[in-house]
Amino acid sequence: GAGVSQSPSNKVTEKGKDVELRCDPISGHTALYWYRQSLGQGLEFLIYFQGNSAPDKSGLPSDRFSAERTGGSVSTLTIQRTQQEDSAVYLCASSQQGNYEQYFGPGTRLTVT
Amino acid sequence: AQSVAQPEDQVNVAEGNPLTVKCTYSVSGNPYLFWYVQYPNRGLQFLLKYITGDNLVKGSYGFEAEFNKSQTSFHLKKPSALVSDSALYFCAVRDRQAGTALIFGKGTTLSVSS
Repeated sequence: GAGVSQSPSNKVTEKGKDVELRCDPISGHTALYWYRQSLGQGLEFLIYFQGNSAPDKSGLPSDRFSAERTGGSVSTLTIQRTQQEDSAVYLCASSQQGNYEQYFGPGTRLTVT
Repeated sequence: AQSVAQPEDQVNVAEGNPLTVKCTYSVSGNPYLFWYVQYPNRGLQFLLKYITGDNLVKGSYGFEAEFNKSQTSFHLKKPSALVSDSALYFCAVRDRQAGTALIFGKGTTLSVSS
């Protein structure tokens, strides 16, 4: 079946602009995660959604970052007033409730100039 | 605090030789442990997991890992390396009591030469 998809695959933006990154999880997966992969920092957890519960936002690095998940499926990660240090690959993952493997999308490479 | 250490940035092995990629972890409770592989310009692919039970876990592509509670380690192994195994490998841990986000190591680049 279809895996996790993310769009766009690449995004170049100017410092100070807002960006939106999209994630389509695997159908039927109730849990959705966002991670950031940057050089020298490895993979960092950003935010986690599980069903209709309040999201775990403990990994968001600043209030410029936010995410929502509509209808328990598609999620959008928004970065406001982008900074150069936001340049990274943003990865989305989903998992079935009660299952432990997270399935990752191909990522969105964000470059802030 | 939870953490994962992959002490080697790079591991080099010759094709046909056994390989080991090391991982140690620190969690307050009992861990769930995972290995993922990332090929160039691709997302992470799940290899294997330890949840409970047998300490030796077998996964995809002939890989296996052994959970060692006393040494807090979860090293990835393969008896005979292939050139196609060359990739970036991540170990990850999740504390059973501390939520569901994975904490990843920094990654180890495996290079298998022919």
